[in-house]
Parts: sequence; structure tokens; C-alpha cells
Amino acid sequence: DTAVSQTPKYLVTQMGNDKSIKCEQNLGHDTMYWYKQDSKKFLKIMFSYNNKELIINETVPNRFSPKSPDKAHLNLHINSLELGDSAVYFCASSQRDRVLFFGPGTRLTVL
Amino acid sequence: KNQVEQSPQSLIILEGKNCTLQCNYTVSPFSNLRWYKQDTGRGPVSLTIMTFSENTKSNGRYTATLDADTKQSSLHITASQLSDSASYICVVSLPGLIFGTGTRLQVFP
Repeated sequence: DTAVSQTPKYLVTQMGNDKSIKCEQNLGHDTMYWYKQDSKKFLKIMFSYNNKELIINETVPNRFSPKSPDKAHLNLHINSLELGDSAVYFCASSQRDRVLFFGPGTRLTVL
Repeated sequence: KNQVEQSPQSLIILEGKNCTLQCNYTVSPFSNLRWYKQDTGRGPVSLTIMTFSENTKSNGRYTATLDADTKQSSLHITASQLSDSASYICVVSLPGLIFGTGTRLQVFP
């Protein structure tokens, strides 16, 4: 059973489009995250969300927005995609500040 | 300058050999320091987690050490296997997580 799952695994789209990446965790964790991993393999936090509190990395453009329909899901919506958005996006979850469990990643390519 | 620096950037070793990866950090104090292993095309997986007061933690062939005086952590891999080929990421938890840039390890037969 997959603990943290993401869909799709690959996403290829054109500049200017709007897309979403879904994330689900079945670990009962209270906090979920989105990370962006660039071509240099550096992981940068984009958002963390724990039920009531959304913490946003101030460097993230407001074209990116997380949406959480319930505790087990944190989806990432991206509007007006740009070339520089191409990267691998990882969802993760944890119980409070404990060990992170990562999803398999979504490779986004913007043409 | 990154607050969590790792070295070397990449490393190639032969199967069966030992190796040590380094992590230097400038942030202090912190609540814990973690090592993650990331296989190509996959999400990172936790290897060890050490609190500020711990100085060593083992997980099978992986042993992490922490020296709070020098602000260094190392990850020692014993008797390397081909499956150890991956990126290894050092993460400092303040709270809030600061990720290192990673070390890419390749183990050849």
C-alpha cells in the first residue's frame, strides 16, 4: 500500500496552461507539504499545511496554490504555467515535525 | 551560501567498499538532523534522525554521526552495495526544514 501517492507521475503541457497535481496520504498524518526539486536536485519547500494553518514560502509565485479538501489530500494547482516551472514536484506528509514521508514525485515539463 | 552544505557533490566507489558523506551546517540550535536517501526517479526516504543531543545513530549499514561543536554530521556506509547508488540528503530541522544540496553516490561492481 502506497503511503503517499501523487498523480500524475509525468505531466507535459504548454506555457500558459493551468494544471493540477494530486496528492493523497493514508498515514493519518496531520501535516502535508509540497516541495519543488530543480535540475540541480535541490529540494525547496513550497507549502506546508496542517489542517488549519497554511504556511507559504514567500518565494513561491501566487500562480501556485495548494488546496486541501480533507486531511488526507493536498493538491497543487498551477496557473499560467511558465518554462521555469519545469521541475519535479514532491508531496510529503508527517506527523507534526517528525519524519517526512515523500511521494514518488511528479515530473512537470512545460514546453 | 547554503546553510546546509554537503560534500562531496558526487562520489564513485566499488561495491563492498566503505564511504563517508559529509554535512556541514551553520544553523544552530536545531531540533534534529536527518539523513535521507533518494533513489533516481523516487521521493526521498528517511535513513536516520538524530536530536541535537545525540551523536550517533545507526540503521543497518548506515551510521550517522553528529558533532555539535564543529557543526558537522557524517553518514558512513559500510560494505556498500549496488543498491546504495542514490542521492543522500542531509536535512536540518529547526523547526522548518533546511535541505542540503545532496551527495550523489554511485556504486560500481
